[in-house]
Amino acid sequence: EIVLTQSPATLSLSPGERATLSCRASQSVSNYLAWYQQKPGQAPRLLIYDTSNRATGIPARFSGSGSGTDFTLTISSLEPEDFAVYYCQQRLNWPPLTFGGGTKVEI
Amino acid sequence: EVDLLESGGGLVQPGGSLRLSCAASGFTFSSYAMSWVRQAPGKGPEWVSGIRDNGGSTYYADSVKGRFTISRDNSKSTLDLQMDSLRAEDTAIYYCAKLRQQMDMVFDYWGQGTLVTVSS
Repeated sequence: EIVLTQSPATLSLSPGERATLSCRASQSVSNYLAWYQQKPGQAPRLLIYDTSNRATGIPARFSGSGSGTDFTLTISSLEPEDFAVYYCQQRLNWPPLTFGGGTKVEI
Repeated sequence: EVDLLESGGGLVQPGGSLRLSCAASGFTFSSYAMSWVRQAPGKGPEWVSGIRDNGGSTYYADSVKGRFTISRDNSKSTLDLQMDSLRAEDTAIYYCAKLRQQMDMVFDYWGQGTLVTVSS
């Protein structure tokens, strides 16, 4: 099973600041990594798939990078609606399909 | 607009059964693979099961294999999850999710979820 480790667990930032979230895989997932955003009481929402492809309707301030075992989600300038929990997910080897433990971006 | 509406959650005793349903609209349901993903309180998401567009192949996480059965009715645009021999660790919000492409395991749309609580 591929384990995804996200860091930091919590990121405390202000609107307008840059957010950098990390996801590290226990073995290579090639570029098959996705990022999801989840707000309280809501379902996860797809942001990025295959490392760097933005999903439909996702603003350009969200970008993804990396390959192999180390990946980054960057939010260039935080908007108030961006404060949420972010999960990474790999799809190279499944089952089991695995998600990371999440990074909470808080004000 | 894609819409996925889950139903069927509730409180059930350990060892009991429950059937979840997901009603899909806003896209050609028969053209897309679908999945169930669950999330225990305070935890990250966990993939549970998936089914191809024609229902010909099904897939399960080891944690539910032999206890859960996924199915679909393309004529009604519905996705089901039959859950038997339920355990306390199955307690979670269960989400119906559409896959971006055939079993590519990228979940581009999610329902609002239905809560399953397994407790005596």
